[in-house]
Amino acid sequence: NAGVTQTPKFQVLKTGQSMTLQCAQDMNHEYMSWYRQDPGMGLRLIHYSVGAGITDQGEVPNGYNVSRSTTEDFPLRLLSAAPSQTSVYFCASSSWQGDSPLHFGNGTRLTVT
Amino acid sequence: QQPVQSPQAVILREGEDAVINCSSSKALYSVHWYRQKHGEAPVFLMILLKGGEQKGHDKISASFNEKKQQSSLYLTASQLSYSGTYFCGTDVKAAGNKLTFGGGTRVLVKP
Repeated sequence: NAGVTQTPKFQVLKTGQSMTLQCAQDMNHEYMSWYRQDPGMGLRLIHYSVGAGITDQGEVPNGYNVSRSTTEDFPLRLLSAAPSQTSVYFCASSSWQGDSPLHFGNGTRLTVT
Repeated sequence: QQPVQSPQAVILREGEDAVINCSSSKALYSVHWYRQKHGEAPVFLMILLKGGEQKGHDKISASFNEKKQQSSLYLTASQLSYSGTYFCGTDVKAAGNKLTFGGGTRVLVKP
């Protein structure tokens, strides 16, 4: 099993550009989420999904959109990139039960200039 | 509101013990612990559930005080591989894993 796969690993954008960070999991997990991690800080929840067709906002949703058309995929879209969105982005998935661990992807390091 | 972790950093010699604390102002259903090495993704260590159940790592132990909404992670007889940043994540509901993470505790284990 590949687990949680994120692409790309690195990305440089100019202010105002848009892009989509891809996330796919092959564990048939219902729950998927996106976190951002800024240098020396913890993880902050951007958006999450409890199943196909259902998404909701986390702590820091502004400037990001998500959709969940399939169980496997949960892309994160940056609508108009800003320098404040420079960060490392992690996608994570788990089964629905509250006693299940989060499985993280390897992250996407995004720089906005 | 994110949980508060303490200490922010700790340096150990191999074989020494350390305790990392995680405190929340909200009533919790579960507390998760993850370790992240530099440049890598966080890796699951433990889940502690309301009611006392624990799941996870067999060489690292943890506790969960439901009355105080506090959890502690015990690094016993530390090994070099224990170095990294430890994060607690807290969940207030019994379904899904909408975790709120603390700011992290940096652990360095020296030979």
